Amino acid sequence: GAGVSQSPRYKVAKRGQDVALRCDPISGHVSLFWYQQALGQGPEFLTYFQNEAQLDKSGLPSDRFFAERPEGSVSTLKIQRTQQEDSAVYLCASSLDGRGYSNQPQHFGDGTRLSIL
Amino acid sequence: KQEVTQIPAALSVPEGENLVLNCSFTDSAIYNLQWFRQDPGKGLTSLLLIQSSQREQTSGRLNASLDKSSGRSTLYIAASQPGDSATYLCAVRPPGRGANNLFFGTGTRLTVIP
Repeated sequence: GAGVSQSPRYKVAKRGQDVALRCDPISGHVSLFWYQQALGQGPEFLTYFQNEAQLDKSGLPSDRFFAERPEGSVSTLKIQRTQQEDSAVYLCASSLDGRGYSNQPQHFGDGTRLSIL
Repeated sequence: KQEVTQIPAALSVPEGENLVLNCSFTDSAIYNLQWFRQDPGKGLTSLLLIQSSQREQTSGRLNASLDKSSGRSTLYIAASQPGDSATYLCAVRPPGRGANNLFFGTGTRLTVIP
């Protein structure tokens, strides 16, 4: 596609439910990133994939958060047993380079706004 | 941990004015710095990327400068237009292999008044 696509755009869930957020990166982009953006804040890094390999998951806030990219393209961010503090916008980004060093810009999707009731 | 600060948090200017947005970061060891704009309810649009070895980048009415030693970057917008109204975020990328994440500031919300 022309850009990074995320779905759903909005997700409302009750506390304790599991949710899954999807990201379709730009075709051919090797690197894929997930960020969490709280209201009025800048995005904060969650995890990074190079193709199907999850090379950095240091930003995941707890073991309730899990991300995968099994075929090196589409990625899913799963949150188990959601809590109210998980409410945020979840942004996905992709970039062309995948060698660790990169001066390629990250291209962002419009995000999924998650609200936990 | 890298801390990124953007001042002011909000700015209103009349149409046609030139303006400067500021970004500062605590650790001068960066790989690059990127400026983004974010419209309400939208993702981030990359505006300019400055490599650590560069001093500035220009795109149309936008000019970004980088002074790595002092931990500062500025985004200059010339002849502002109402369509420039958005939140502007700067982000730095740390050096080193595997350092792929960006550290973001909290943004400057710009309003250009017609």
